[in-house]
Amino acid sequence: AQTVTQSQPEMSVQEAETVTLSCTYDTSESDYYLFWYKQPPSRQMILVIRQEAYKQQNATENRFSVNFQKAAKSFSLKISDSQLGDAAMYFCAYRTNRDDKIIFGKGTRLHILP
Amino acid sequence: DAGVTQSPTHLIKTRGQQVTLRCSPKSGHDTVSWYQQALGQGPQFIFQYYEEEERQRGNFPDRFSGHQFPNYSSELNVNALLLGDSALYLCASSYYRASGGGFTDTQYFGPGTRLTVL
Repeated sequence: AQTVTQSQPEMSVQEAETVTLSCTYDTSESDYYLFWYKQPPSRQMILVIRQEAYKQQNATENRFSVNFQKAAKSFSLKISDSQLGDAAMYFCAYRTNRDDKIIFGKGTRLHILP
Repeated sequence: DAGVTQSPTHLIKTRGQQVTLRCSPKSGHDTVSWYQQALGQGPQFIFQYYEEEERQRGNFPDRFSGHQFPNYSSELNVNALLLGDSALYLCASSYYRASGGGFTDTQYFGPGTRLTVL
């Protein structure tokens, strides 16, 4: 069965500093997508960044980047220059290329300290 | 460009009642997926609708049913509500390339409906 594990229920980072959120997953598939979603108190699930498993290059979106280690089945999110607006729940998620069902981890709550 | 919309925002029901939640997909999308997010947990896949049919289903009982209309909007129905059905219900939309390539790689989520069962 495919699973996504986020081992850090909560994290805190000082404003302007860098923080890394961890995620591991388990799958027997070779072709899949990985995502990080952000869910602020407004509840809206917002896509932060995505990675196709066949791409070796790590995805980057402005201050957000990932460290994708396919052999280790690891997919961490690095947030640089943390801002107060980054405070939210962050969910790591997985989807095979065969269907559209997304499997989510339990989330990491990120606090930004001013 | 309108995003995914859901109604109502909040809903309070009592045990045993039935509830209907509604979702309109993002413009250009034809596939709707429903997720249940219990407090403090990640969303769990309920089912997905494409071409007005249920295409995939997660591990949810038959009390959870749905429908997709010709305009791609969708409803989630839950019968015989239990206290444990209290959750945030999220709708997500995507686009299926029937000619090949499968689903686009991004699902866009709505703001959710908070259901409280008393």
